[in-house]
Amino acid sequence: KAGVTQTPRYLIKTRGQQVTLSCSPISGHRSVSWYQQTPGQGLQFLFEYFSETQRNKGNFPGRFSGRQFSNSRSEMNVSTLELGDSALYLCASSLFPGDQGSSGNTIYFGEGSWLTVV
Amino acid sequence: DAKTTQPNSMESNEEEPVHLPCNHSTISGTDYIHWYRQLPSQGPEYVIHGLTSNVNNRMASLAIAEDRKSSTLILHRATLRDAAVYYCILRGYNAGNNRKLIWGLGTSLAVNP
Repeated sequence: KAGVTQTPRYLIKTRGQQVTLSCSPISGHRSVSWYQQTPGQGLQFLFEYFSETQRNKGNFPGRFSGRQFSNSRSEMNVSTLELGDSALYLCASSLFPGDQGSSGNTIYFGEGSWLTVV
Repeated sequence: DAKTTQPNSMESNEEEPVHLPCNHSTISGTDYIHWYRQLPSQGPEYVIHGLTSNVNNRMASLAIAEDRKSSTLILHRATLRDAAVYYCILRGYNAGNNRKLIWGLGTSLAVNP
């Protein structure tokens, strides 16, 4: 079956602009999480959605937002971009949210969207 | 918060075993221990997971301490393709709590030919 698909793969934006990233989870997965990855900070959890509801949120400013649609596809938005927002943004899907631990609940990641803010 | 602690980096020689440690002293009784690895320019991929007993799969073995406060990922014969960042995280049931998943920086494994 198809894996997690993220679009776009690469994009360049200017400071102050906003950006929307899209994620299509694995078919049947209802939980979608977003992560920011930078060389110095590693993998930082942004938020998690399950059945269109935000279930968990990391420590990021309100400029970072997301949503999930009824077909489980998800988008994240960053407004008023700053240079420090340049990063790899990863989307991951799983059957259940991270706080529901049936056996495994493996996370599957997409290849990410590389965002450069200039 | 579900925090794990791993060494920043480790080095191994090809065809030798590698033991990657992880401490998770705040683990709760229903948390599963998951390991993922991230190859260069790719998203992380699942390696193995366990709850209490040691686990084996085609990629690796997972040894879990009796008190579950630490675990070790074992690569039996490292290959150059195993050079990656390895993450140990906790995934578990904690109804009603807003647990923040913390991945940290993981362990960067270098494999020498």
